[in-house]
Amino acid sequence: DTGVSQNPRHKITKRGQNVTFRCDPISEHNRLYWYRQTLGQGPEFLTYFQNEAQLEKSRLLSDRFSAERPKGSFSTLEIQRTEQGDSAMYLCASSPLSQGGFSEQYFGPGTRLTVT
Amino acid sequence: AQSVAQPEDQVNVAEGNPLTVKCTYSVSGNPYLFWYVQYPNRGLQFLLKYITGDNLVKGSYGFEAEFNKSQTSFHLKKPSALVSDSALYFCAVTPLRRALTFGSGTRLQVQP
Repeated sequence: DTGVSQNPRHKITKRGQNVTFRCDPISEHNRLYWYRQTLGQGPEFLTYFQNEAQLEKSRLLSDRFSAERPKGSFSTLEIQRTEQGDSAMYLCASSPLSQGGFSEQYFGPGTRLTVT
Repeated sequence: AQSVAQPEDQVNVAEGNPLTVKCTYSVSGNPYLFWYVQYPNRGLQFLLKYITGDNLVKGSYGFEAEFNKSQTSFHLKKPSALVSDSALYFCAVTPLRRALTFGSGTRLQVQP
């Protein structure tokens, strides 16, 4: 399967613990995005990378959240001192850098985080 | 700031009948518009997009969408619904060719 992959698929953690999620994009895609989706809502943008550069961060991305894409390939999203409000599905997407246009984003299956 | 409205939480249609899932948007400048579908326990799947050009866009699985600039709408349509089309549908917009802003989703239920 050459689509976007995310690990783990499910994570249960206690409040106050740190968690890290990984996203492996489609190999030739330059852009990588993180979104968060809560029940009954559409995905909300968190941050995106073009190659290894983090170009934009949403106001949703508090100081407890950090994302990296060190070699322009896979990315990690870390949440420190988790809170119950962090419980959500975390989605990763990737897209190629399209000259003069805008390519659609391809989404992974998501990581479901439950904070108890 | 951009926004997307999907006014119907759920749309019910009988198999074989035409379906419409509504979407309106608000954005500064020219919009890039998308439809995605989400099946249970699966990721979002791209259906179609409008960038420029013909207002009627054709996509995957027989779906199409009509861009209407004056009404700021991008409704998703299909001439004949299938039970397998039952899923959650999201409209999304971006004005700047970066991150997407999604609507809250519309659940489509196709009855046999």
